[in-house]
Amino acid sequence: QVQLQQSGPGLVKPSQTLSLTCAISGDSVSSNSVAWNWIRQSPSRGLEWLGRTFYRSKWYNDYAVSVKSRIIINPDTSKNQFSLQLNSVTPEDTAVYYCTREAPAPNWGYFDYWGQGTLVTVSS
Amino acid sequence: DIQMTQSPSSLSASVGDRVTITCRASQGINNYLAWYQQKPGKVPKLLIYAASTLQSGVPSRFGGSGSGTDFTLTISSLQPEDVATYYCQKYNSAPWTFGQGTKVEIK
Repeated sequence: QVQLQQSGPGLVKPSQTLSLTCAISGDSVSSNSVAWNWIRQSPSRGLEWLGRTFYRSKWYNDYAVSVKSRIIINPDTSKNQFSLQLNSVTPEDTAVYYCTREAPAPNWGYFDYWGQGTLVTVSS
Repeated sequence: DIQMTQSPSSLSASVGDRVTITCRASQGINNYLAWYQQKPGKVPKLLIYAASTLQSGVPSRFGGSGSGTDFTLTISSLQPEDVATYYCQKYNSAPWTFGQGTKVEIK
């Protein structure tokens, strides 16, 4: 059974960096058949996909255009986890953030496991 | 980017009723569509993928259909535990995008 455990601060000041980590159990961040994603949810934006990291003989990333200039998603193979870094945050980045697993090949693109969610508030 | 539009945005039905939710894609996506259920205060849960394939453990009263641009999620007999918001999501190509949600309540 795959489990995703999120950690990170719930309050970030404007212009600073939002950082969250997702620890994986029951699967590997280096798996060749899945991808690891971050999604956020807010009343104004609904469910919004932010980006993903995955390993296919080498590491790849995809990011949503809306955050592409500010986001980094990194795998950490030593701890079997992946992280989200979102720079220069504003109050519009206030949301519940989820880490998710993208279903195994060949069924790319939908999400079969979700972390517990982290409410991140951007406020001074 | 392809937009996903759900209707209605909310509905109220009686226990035992058949409930239908529609999701429309702005361009064809074959059958690359998933449905999620999010109960109040909880994490979204995968119900259906490939437009009509039930995820393991999901009750058989849930069903999905459609292909191309028009899709449907059906609850054949609404139960009190089905109170939730339902989202569709397309995954034919990145970026993955979601519908705005349909809130289902008991009358």
